[in-house]
Amino acid sequence: SQQGEEDPQALSIQEGENATMNCSYKTSINNLQWYRQNSGRGLVHLILIRSNEREKHSGRLRVTLDTSKKSSSLLITASRAADTASYFCATDDGNSGYALNFGKGTSLLVTP
Amino acid sequence: DGGITQSPKYLFRKEGQNVTLSCEQNLNHDAMYWYRQDPGQGLRLIYYSQIVNDFQKGDIAEGYSVSREKKESFPLTVTSAQKNPTAFYLCASRIPGGDTQYFGPGTRLTVL
Repeated sequence: SQQGEEDPQALSIQEGENATMNCSYKTSINNLQWYRQNSGRGLVHLILIRSNEREKHSGRLRVTLDTSKKSSSLLITASRAADTASYFCATDDGNSGYALNFGKGTSLLVTP
Repeated sequence: DGGITQSPKYLFRKEGQNVTLSCEQNLNHDAMYWYRQDPGQGLRLIYYSQIVNDFQKGDIAEGYSVSREKKESFPLTVTSAQKNPTAFYLCASRIPGGDTQYFGPGTRLTVL
């Protein structure tokens, strides 16, 4: 199955700065979702954007979707040390019982 | 409390042994999924089930087996046929008609 690719693989910023992560995917999708994973833990859903949407906001999160370029970006504004985690984009193409296709993730480190 | 539980958190297996990972949910979700995560990688789909007594192979089903006798439970057996089973295993479920997946805390399996 197709997999998204996140860019960059790792990102290090200071508290208060913005963090931007990008995701590219290969085939048509129903929606694209972003998940967060703290080290050694399960994934937590952050935000979902549907294929007919271009931008969505949730708190300090802003996600964009460009279906013509098959790409998405996640912006975290005013980062905090607690935002340190791995972030994954996941696409739903309606196949495999609506299982998600995950990228390899971006590891974000926010230093005080 | 509603949620997904996985047990055990850590599991050690000798080569040639079968082991079973537990996944239980009390969210009344029909669809359940098993993913495998290797270090620095995204999640890959092992098996999924959309309804009781039915399940389908995902992308990397070889060496694994599942059952779905109850809505709440979706155990995964890692058999001796799985050549490289050391990984982090994540179980997830999805609300009927919904897009978001809810993840358990994961089981880390190590083959000694």
